[in-house]
Amino acid sequence: QKEVEQDPGPLSVPEGAIVSLNCTYSNSAFQYFMWYRQYSRKGPELLMYTYSSGNKEDGRFTAQVDKSSKYISLFIRDSQPSDSATYLCAMSEYNFNKFYFGSGTKLNVKP
Amino acid sequence: DTGVSQDPRHKITKRGQNVTFRCDPISEHNRLYWYRQTLGQGPEFLTYFQNEAQLEKSRLLSDRFSAERPKGSFSTLEIQRTEQGDSAMYLCASSPGTGEEKLFFGSGTQLSVL
Repeated sequence: QKEVEQDPGPLSVPEGAIVSLNCTYSNSAFQYFMWYRQYSRKGPELLMYTYSSGNKEDGRFTAQVDKSSKYISLFIRDSQPSDSATYLCAMSEYNFNKFYFGSGTKLNVKP
Repeated sequence: DTGVSQDPRHKITKRGQNVTFRCDPISEHNRLYWYRQTLGQGPEFLTYFQNEAQLEKSRLLSDRFSAERPKGSFSTLEIQRTEQGDSAMYLCASSPGTGEEKLFFGSGTQLSVL
């Protein structure tokens, strides 16, 4: 069993839709949770970072963490074609010696 | 802050050859990570340095892989006797080492082993 599970998609939505991306994990020692966006043939770029259960909002993006269920989500409001990319969840234990990534969800926002 | 730089961007080699990649992290970042990513998969951890010390290494990493960070600045990743299964994107990331760490990735080196 992988430490981090993520639905690979692809997920196709119309412009303006609300997008929900999710990951589950098995290691209760994970304390830090991140979402990265990756365009084709580029390195991942950090979108959201949180370390506690609850919600964190940044513009059109909201990250949600439920440690009791070992479940994290990323919501994108008013999705744009430029949001079309692969979204990776990542998480780490307290020492940051290793970050564990999901397999990524490919998102396509249609104009 | 010029970001994480990786060189080369692309490398094509024949099976059995040795290859070396270089990573220049963000200045003053003392944590440096190497990851490998294949098509349709997320980045897979290879190794982690804090300054010049290699503190973590994946059990999946065979003896053909070696990484160094001799002065705690740039790092090199060498693959000896390459195999076709080594074909992947090799990503380097750095992090400040000041507490709540966030990975900043380079654009990667795409390796193709023929």
